[in-house]
Amino acid sequence: GAGVSQSPRYKVAKRGQDVALRCDPISGHVSLFWYQQALGQGPEFLTYFQNEAQLDKSGLPSDRFFAERPEGSVSTLKIQRTQQEDSAVYLCASSPAGGGVVREKLFFGSGTQLSVL
Amino acid sequence: GESVGLHLPTLSVQEGDNSIINCAYSNSASDYFIWYKQESGKGPQFIIDIRSNMDKRQGQRVTVLLNKTVKHLSLQIAATQPGDSAVYFCAENRNNNAGNMLTFGGGTRLMVKP
Repeated sequence: GAGVSQSPRYKVAKRGQDVALRCDPISGHVSLFWYQQALGQGPEFLTYFQNEAQLDKSGLPSDRFFAERPEGSVSTLKIQRTQQEDSAVYLCASSPAGGGVVREKLFFGSGTQLSVL
Repeated sequence: GESVGLHLPTLSVQEGDNSIINCAYSNSASDYFIWYKQESGKGPQFIIDIRSNMDKRQGQRVTVLLNKTVKHLSLQIAATQPGDSAVYFCAENRNNNAGNMLTFGGGTRLMVKP
């Protein structure tokens, strides 16, 4: 399909386990965002990439969270030593341009639902 | 702190009626606003946006109104249909180094009764 694809759709992890969440943005999209959505809440910003450059990671909750986009397309969000409070839906979004004064809508994936037991 | 929020967490309407979902924002630096619809198990889907130099924008069956004086945003859905049942989020954007980074409100659940 032409949309943003995320995998896995669901992930169950034991506390302390490391997890890796994958995002395939729409082909050619420059900007890529990760958001965290707790149950019943709105998405909260985690980090932003413009091509392969991570321009903003101010939303990452701790140093256990790490994101990369080495070739400017696919991105991976890694969470080390998962904790129960990490349980949430992790959403990826992309947009064609590089931000700045250009405002355009984000295209979201369906997310990865992470449950930490 | 400054945030985007919603007045009503749940709105129940009869099919065919008009729906109005409200949102308050407190950051006067916000200059771009978006409404998203999120169905169960899916990511947010763009509905309509509005820039701060406008006070009204219309789409297909939807209208967004922006009142900068009282920092209020609303989404109007005409002739609400069962397929409109979802959670609706308003989001704000400030032009910053993070480009299109959005700050979302807490959401309103719209329930359409047949």
